[in-house]
Amino acid sequence: EVQLVESGGGLVQPGGSLRLSCAASGFTFSSYWMSWVRQAPGKGLEWVANIKQDGSEKYYVDSVKGRFTISRDNAKNSLYLQMNSLRAEDTAVYYCAEELPLGAFDIWGQGTMVTVSS
Amino acid sequence: AIRMTQSPSSFSASTGDRVTITCRASQGISSYLAWYQQKPGKAPKLLIYAASTLQSGVPSRFSGSGSGTDFTLTISCLQSEDFATYYCQQYYSYPRTFGQGTKLEIK
Repeated sequence: EVQLVESGGGLVQPGGSLRLSCAASGFTFSSYWMSWVRQAPGKGLEWVANIKQDGSEKYYVDSVKGRFTISRDNAKNSLYLQMNSLRAEDTAVYYCAEELPLGAFDIWGQGTMVTVSS
Repeated sequence: AIRMTQSPSSFSASTGDRVTITCRASQGISSYLAWYQQKPGKAPKLLIYAASTLQSGVPSRFSGSGSGTDFTLTISCLQSEDFATYYCQQYYSYPRTFGQGTKLEIK
Protein backbone atom coordinates (compact mmCIF):
# COMPACT_ATOMS: atom_id res chain seq x y z
CA GLU A 1 0.00 0.00 0.00
CA VAL A 2 1.27 3.42 -0.95
CA GLN A 3 1.56 5.44 2.23
CA LEU A 4 3.09 8.54 3.81
CA VAL A 5 3.10 8.86 7.59
CA GLU A 6 4.11 12.11 9.29
CA SER A 7 5.33 12.42 12.86
CA GLY A 8 7.03 14.92 15.13
CA GLY A 9 4.34 17.51 15.59
CA GLY A 10 3.43 18.98 18.95
CA LEU A 11 3.28 22.09 21.09
CA VAL A 12 6.30 24.39 21.02
CA GLN A 13 6.94 27.87 22.35
CA PRO A 14 7.56 30.81 20.02
CA GLY A 15 11.20 30.83 18.99
CA GLY A 16 11.50 27.10 19.51
CA SER A 17 12.38 24.29 17.13
CA LEU A 18 10.74 21.13 15.90
CA ARG A 19 11.69 18.43 13.41
CA LEU A 20 8.98 16.73 11.39
CA SER A 21 9.46 13.36 9.74
CA CYS A 22 7.59 11.62 6.96
CA ALA A 23 8.00 7.89 6.37
CA ALA A 24 7.21 6.63 2.88
CA SER A 25 6.26 3.11 1.86
CA GLY A 26 4.75 1.31 -1.10
CA PHE A 27 6.48 3.34 -3.82
CA THR A 28 10.00 4.17 -4.96
CA PHE A 29 10.60 7.16 -2.71
CA SER A 30 13.92 8.06 -4.31
CA SER A 31 12.26 8.63 -7.70
CA TYR A 32 10.06 11.54 -6.66
CA TRP A 33 10.23 15.16 -5.67
CA MET A 34 8.66 15.55 -2.23
CA SER A 35 6.91 18.50 -0.63
CA TRP A 36 5.62 19.81 2.67
CA VAL A 37 2.24 21.56 2.60
CA ARG A 38 0.58 23.13 5.62
CA GLN A 39 -2.91 24.18 6.63
CA ALA A 40 -3.59 26.58 9.49
CA PRO A 41 -6.72 25.84 11.52
CA GLY A 42 -9.82 26.67 9.47
CA LYS A 43 -7.70 28.02 6.61
CA GLY A 44 -6.59 26.96 3.15
CA LEU A 45 -3.57 25.07 1.92
CA GLU A 46 -0.09 26.59 1.74
CA TRP A 47 2.88 24.96 0.06
CA VAL A 48 5.97 25.20 2.29
CA ALA A 49 8.94 23.56 0.59
CA ASN A 50 10.05 20.81 -1.75
CA ILE A 51 13.15 18.79 -2.53
CA LYS A 52 14.44 17.03 -5.60
CA GLN A 53 14.95 13.28 -5.75
CA ASP A 54 18.65 13.45 -4.87
CA GLY A 55 18.35 16.44 -2.54
CA SER A 56 20.32 18.71 -4.87
CA GLU A 57 17.50 21.25 -5.30
CA LYS A 58 15.28 22.73 -2.62
CA TYR A 59 12.67 25.47 -2.79
CA TYR A 60 10.83 27.33 -0.03
CA VAL A 61 7.97 29.75 0.38
CA ASP A 62 9.33 33.15 1.39
CA SER A 63 7.73 33.08 4.86
CA VAL A 64 9.89 30.15 5.98
CA LYS A 65 13.17 30.86 4.17
CA GLY A 66 16.08 30.92 6.58
CA ARG A 67 14.01 29.24 9.31
CA PHE A 68 12.95 25.89 7.84
CA THR A 69 15.13 23.26 6.16
CA ILE A 70 13.82 20.38 4.09
CA SER A 71 15.90 17.23 3.72
CA ARG A 72 15.54 13.59 2.83
CA ASP A 73 17.21 10.23 3.41
CA ASN A 74 16.47 7.94 0.49
CA ALA A 75 18.07 4.96 2.24
CA LYS A 76 15.46 5.35 4.98
CA ASN A 77 12.60 6.38 2.65
CA SER A 78 12.15 9.45 4.80
CA LEU A 79 11.50 13.16 4.38
CA TYR A 80 12.20 15.76 7.05
CA LEU A 81 11.38 19.36 7.88
CA GLN A 82 13.57 21.11 10.44
CA MET A 83 11.67 24.12 11.75
CA ASN A 84 13.54 26.77 13.75
CA SER A 85 12.55 30.17 15.13
CA LEU A 86 8.92 29.10 15.13
CA ARG A 87 6.20 31.72 15.17
CA ALA A 88 2.53 31.63 16.09
CA GLU A 89 1.68 31.89 12.39
CA ASP A 90 3.45 28.56 11.77
CA THR A 91 0.67 26.81 13.68
CA ALA A 92 -0.86 24.35 11.22
CA VAL A 93 -1.31 20.76 10.18
CA TYR A 94 1.76 19.83 8.17
CA TYR A 95 1.35 17.32 5.35
CA CYS A 96 4.06 15.64 3.35
CA ALA A 97 3.19 14.92 -0.26
CA GLU A 98 4.69 13.10 -3.20
CA GLU A 99 4.81 15.07 -6.42
CA LEU A 100 3.87 13.83 -9.82
CA PRO A 101 6.34 14.84 -12.55
CA LEU A 102 5.96 18.63 -12.99
CA GLY A 103 4.40 19.23 -9.60
CA ALA A 104 0.86 18.13 -8.73
CA PHE A 105 0.63 16.49 -5.31
CA ASP A 106 -0.44 12.89 -5.75
CA ILE A 107 0.04 11.06 -2.45
CA TRP A 108 -0.53 12.82 0.87
CA GLY A 109 0.11 11.80 4.46
CA GLN A 110 -2.48 12.18 7.19
CA GLY A 111 -0.78 15.27 8.59
CA THR A 112 0.85 16.20 11.88
CA MET A 113 -0.26 19.18 13.98
CA VAL A 114 2.22 21.84 15.02
CA THR A 115 1.09 24.38 17.59
CA VAL A 116 3.28 27.36 18.40
CA SER A 117 2.11 28.99 21.59
CA SER A 118 3.37 30.12 24.96
CA ALA B 1 4.05 34.83 -6.48
CA ILE B 2 1.19 33.78 -8.73
CA ARG B 3 -2.14 34.44 -7.09
CA MET B 4 -4.90 31.88 -7.59
CA THR B 5 -8.46 33.11 -7.14
CA GLN B 6 -11.39 30.72 -6.94
CA SER B 7 -15.05 31.52 -7.31
CA PRO B 8 -17.36 31.11 -5.65
CA SER B 9 -15.87 30.79 -2.15
CA SER B 10 -18.88 28.77 -1.08
CA PHE B 11 -21.79 27.25 -2.89
CA SER B 12 -24.96 25.34 -2.05
CA ALA B 13 -26.20 22.65 -4.40
CA SER B 14 -28.33 19.53 -4.45
CA THR B 15 -27.52 15.94 -5.28
CA GLY B 16 -27.78 15.48 -9.04
CA ASP B 17 -26.88 19.08 -9.87
CA ARG B 18 -24.15 20.04 -12.32
CA VAL B 19 -21.72 22.47 -10.70
CA THR B 20 -18.78 24.46 -11.96
CA ILE B 21 -16.00 26.03 -9.92
CA THR B 22 -13.66 28.53 -11.54
CA CYS B 23 -10.04 29.33 -10.82
CA ARG B 24 -8.16 32.31 -12.21
CA ALA B 25 -4.40 32.76 -12.15
CA SER B 26 -2.84 36.20 -11.85
CA GLN B 27 -0.56 35.35 -14.77
CA GLY B 28 -0.44 32.65 -17.40
CA ILE B 29 0.37 29.17 -16.13
CA SER B 30 -0.16 27.16 -19.33
CA SER B 31 -1.84 23.94 -18.17
CA TYR B 32 0.14 23.53 -14.95
CA LEU B 33 -2.95 23.36 -12.78
CA ALA B 34 -4.30 20.76 -10.38
CA TRP B 35 -7.61 20.36 -8.52
CA TYR B 36 -7.97 18.79 -5.09
CA GLN B 37 -10.90 17.71 -2.93
CA GLN B 38 -10.66 17.93 0.85
CA LYS B 39 -13.10 16.65 3.43
CA PRO B 40 -13.04 17.79 7.09
CA GLY B 41 -10.17 16.31 9.05
CA LYS B 42 -8.72 14.59 6.00
CA ALA B 43 -5.81 15.19 3.67
CA PRO B 44 -6.52 16.65 0.25
CA LYS B 45 -7.09 14.24 -2.63
CA LEU B 46 -5.82 14.91 -6.14
CA LEU B 47 -8.66 14.94 -8.65
CA ILE B 48 -7.21 16.49 -11.80
CA TYR B 49 -3.76 17.53 -12.99
CA ALA B 50 -2.46 19.18 -16.12
CA ALA B 51 -5.75 21.13 -16.07
CA SER B 52 -7.81 18.33 -17.57
CA THR B 53 -6.23 14.92 -16.83
CA LEU B 54 -8.32 12.84 -14.45
CA GLN B 55 -6.27 11.17 -11.74
CA SER B 56 -6.56 7.39 -11.64
CA GLY B 57 -9.55 6.23 -9.63
CA VAL B 58 -11.40 9.53 -9.73
CA PRO B 59 -14.99 9.24 -11.00
CA SER B 60 -15.63 10.47 -14.53
CA ARG B 61 -18.27 12.95 -13.33
CA PHE B 62 -15.30 15.18 -12.48
CA SER B 63 -13.73 17.11 -15.34
CA GLY B 64 -11.38 20.03 -15.76
CA SER B 65 -10.71 22.50 -18.50
CA GLY B 66 -8.83 25.67 -19.31
CA SER B 67 -5.34 26.95 -19.98
CA GLY B 68 -3.44 30.17 -19.51
CA THR B 69 -5.23 32.03 -16.73
CA ASP B 70 -8.78 30.65 -16.60
CA PHE B 71 -9.74 27.17 -15.46
CA THR B 72 -12.86 25.28 -14.44
CA LEU B 73 -13.69 22.18 -12.45
CA THR B 74 -17.05 20.64 -13.31
CA ILE B 75 -18.93 17.95 -11.43
CA SER B 76 -21.56 16.66 -13.83
CA CYS B 77 -23.95 15.02 -11.39
CA LEU B 78 -23.34 15.74 -7.72
CA GLN B 79 -23.24 12.79 -5.38
CA SER B 80 -23.51 12.98 -1.60
CA GLU B 81 -19.81 12.19 -1.21
CA ASP B 82 -18.86 15.22 -3.33
CA PHE B 83 -19.79 17.77 -0.69
CA ALA B 84 -16.36 19.00 0.36
CA THR B 85 -13.93 21.86 -0.17
CA TYR B 86 -12.14 22.13 -3.51
CA TYR B 87 -8.78 23.79 -4.17
CA CYS B 88 -6.95 24.67 -7.34
CA GLN B 89 -3.15 24.83 -7.35
CA GLN B 90 -0.59 26.04 -9.85
CA TYR B 91 2.75 24.34 -10.37
CA TYR B 92 4.01 26.56 -13.17
CA SER B 93 6.42 28.42 -10.91
CA TYR B 94 7.67 28.78 -7.35
CA PRO B 95 6.24 29.24 -4.87
CA ARG B 96 3.54 26.71 -5.60
CA THR B 97 0.25 28.42 -4.73
CA PHE B 98 -3.29 27.32 -4.02
CA GLY B 99 -6.61 29.02 -4.44
CA GLN B 100 -8.45 29.98 -1.27
CA GLY B 101 -10.87 27.08 -1.64
CA THR B 102 -14.51 26.57 -2.61
CA LYS B 103 -16.74 24.96 -0.01
CA LEU B 104 -19.53 22.97 -1.62
CA GLU B 105 -22.45 22.49 0.74
CA ILE B 106 -25.73 20.65 0.57
CA LYS B 107 -28.73 22.82 -0.22
